[in-house]
Amino acid sequence: DADVTQTPRNRITKTGKRIMLECSQTKGHDRMYWYRQDPGLGLRLIYYSFDVKDINKGEISDGYSVSRQAQAKFSLSLESAIPNQTALYFCATSDYPQETQYFGPGTRLLVL
Amino acid sequence: AQKVTQAQTEISVVEKEDVTLDCVYETRDTTYYLFWYKQPPSGELVFLIRRNSFDEQNEISGRYSWNFQKSTSSFNFTITASQVVDSAVYFCALSEKNFNKFYFGSGTKLNVKP
Repeated sequence: DADVTQTPRNRITKTGKRIMLECSQTKGHDRMYWYRQDPGLGLRLIYYSFDVKDINKGEISDGYSVSRQAQAKFSLSLESAIPNQTALYFCATSDYPQETQYFGPGTRLLVL
Repeated sequence: AQKVTQAQTEISVVEKEDVTLDCVYETRDTTYYLFWYKQPPSGELVFLIRRNSFDEQNEISGRYSWNFQKSTSSFNFTITASQVVDSAVYFCALSEKNFNKFYFGSGTKLNVKP
């Protein structure tokens, strides 16, 4: 079984809808992250969490919110989806202090 | 200024050629880690290697090798005798221990043609 899982893997939604992307991990890591990737670009950090009570904004947090329900679960919500949020979304976890990030398989989101 | 620069947007080689992917980084931290990830056409991100700032030894893993040079702030990745399966986007990344930051380069797309 994969160490980092994301659901759904693909999602099509309409402008204005609220959607949630979920991430679960079995690696036992405290640190979790959400990134988005746009075609031809690298990864941009949306939010990150160093433990259940610690959540921080990344470089592009506007229009997104997160919830760290447990050490193993970190959800990303789009409050009111817009077309320019169409992207590939990755969840990641990391160990400390080595900080290697391990990624989930990604969620392809299309906002119409 | 970009923390991690991958100046090569796209590279095309013919199978069995050697290819080097460049990565230049910038940091004020004294303790940091450098990474390479592979993103094949299927989209997942695969961890390839981590190197800490105190270990400048080059590393070889099969056809892959990495050259870390602090003097030039570079962490280059060489694939020897490339294969079609090496076709992917490769990302270099930097983690700054004291600043708790993680930065990705914009990636280099490698096309290996048969």
